[in-house]
Amino acid sequence: AQRVTQPEKLLSVFKGAPVELKCNYSYSGSPELFWYVQYSRQRLQLLLRHISRESIKGFTADLNKGETSFHLKKPFAQEEDSAMYYCALREDNFNKFYFGSGTKLNVKP
Amino acid sequence: GAVVSQHPSRVICKSGTSVKIECRSLDFQATTMFWYRQFPKQSLMLMATSNEGSKATYEQGVEKDKFLINHASLTLSTLTVTSAHPEDSSFYICSASLTGNSGYTFGSGTRLTVV
Repeated sequence: AQRVTQPEKLLSVFKGAPVELKCNYSYSGSPELFWYVQYSRQRLQLLLRHISRESIKGFTADLNKGETSFHLKKPFAQEEDSAMYYCALREDNFNKFYFGSGTKLNVKP
Repeated sequence: GAVVSQHPSRVICKSGTSVKIECRSLDFQATTMFWYRQFPKQSLMLMATSNEGSKATYEQGVEKDKFLINHASLTLSTLTVTSAHPEDSSFYICSASLTGNSGYTFGSGTRLTVV
């Protein structure tokens, strides 16, 4: 069963525009949600996690349990934000990560 | 910070041969490591959970006899693709986490090409 859904494969915005990468999940327990980023030719790296309630590189994400969503937002996109973004869910009991299909963010100058 | 080293980064092998991929946690101990497979332009698919000192736990649909996992120490897990076929060509990625840390660190991945 698809646990994490990222409906957009590609999202193109202009520099300075707001950006929202969508992520919806399906899980009956209490999952942990994460956003990972993969810049060109680099490895996956953690961007942020919902339990930390932090803002990294201007990005924020709020877990909405009612809508089962964990959308990633940034008010003003920068060119260096261009990358692949993966939403991930960790099951509470099994310590496994499941990834969404990823969204490629392209920030145009 | 936690670093995971994966080796080799690229490997080409002939059909029918076996290939071993190593995943090392360089500055921390990892009782659990995970192996993923990523097809072109697709997401990471969890293959198995590697547990130090015990058998790996495989996800549904992953052949345990084909993808042998050994986690003999707290810093090393290996994935061996046995009797490789062209359809096994893919990008394989391992990950691990610090104990008590819910974030995971990923290796740089191994591009396997079976010819």
